[in-house]
Amino acid sequence: GAVVSQHPSWVICKSGTSVKIECRSLDFQATTMFWYRQFPKQSLMLMATSNEGSKATYEQGVEKDKFLINHASLTLSTLTVTSAHPEDSSFYICSAASRGEAQPQHFGDGTRLSIL
Amino acid sequence: GQNIDQPTEMTATEGAIVQINCTYQTSGFNGLFWYQQHAGEAPTFLSYNVLDGLEEKGRFSSFLSRSKGYSYLLLKELQMKDSASYLCAVKDSNYQLIWGAGTKLIIKP
Repeated sequence: GAVVSQHPSWVICKSGTSVKIECRSLDFQATTMFWYRQFPKQSLMLMATSNEGSKATYEQGVEKDKFLINHASLTLSTLTVTSAHPEDSSFYICSAASRGEAQPQHFGDGTRLSIL
Repeated sequence: GQNIDQPTEMTATEGAIVQINCTYQTSGFNGLFWYQQHAGEAPTFLSYNVLDGLEEKGRFSSFLSRSKGYSYLLLKELQMKDSASYLCAVKDSNYQLIWGAGTKLIIKP
């Protein structure tokens, strides 16, 4: 149980392109979804937290107009990297958690984004 | 500020036992999680502790002492596939998950 599906797994595109990443909880209702970014050999960096039906809460230093997050249902959240540039190249990982203090975050497989 | 400390890297031998420590200073405490992350992959959930004591799950056990702000992950009968980073994370009083930087565990034959 607790499967999170993230697509696409790999994206290579030109600078200036907008890229949308989907995160779905397949067998549970995710009241909260999280978006992380991880550069090579570095730790996870939380970008934003989103609760179903409300606006995402962004971490300090994360541009909300560049990283658009939508959490329209209890099973789907999307992250759109708008006008991506080479410095946005990274490993983006979503996670989802259901309601409850003891509920762990379950991670998708991640999306490796390369901007040329 | 909030802080989670874990060793950067550890090395152990196949078949042996290794203990990965985690100390934390957070604003409140609502549970501690351990995750495993293989290189190039997303983290996977290993264990959760909210009360003091030891939680055992097969070859992996996790211990918590809230008064000391301390936890450890114990891996027994190490296998080569256990080579990975192990992440300690604490939920603070706002239920925000604070992540440690992870401990890279290298298993040698």
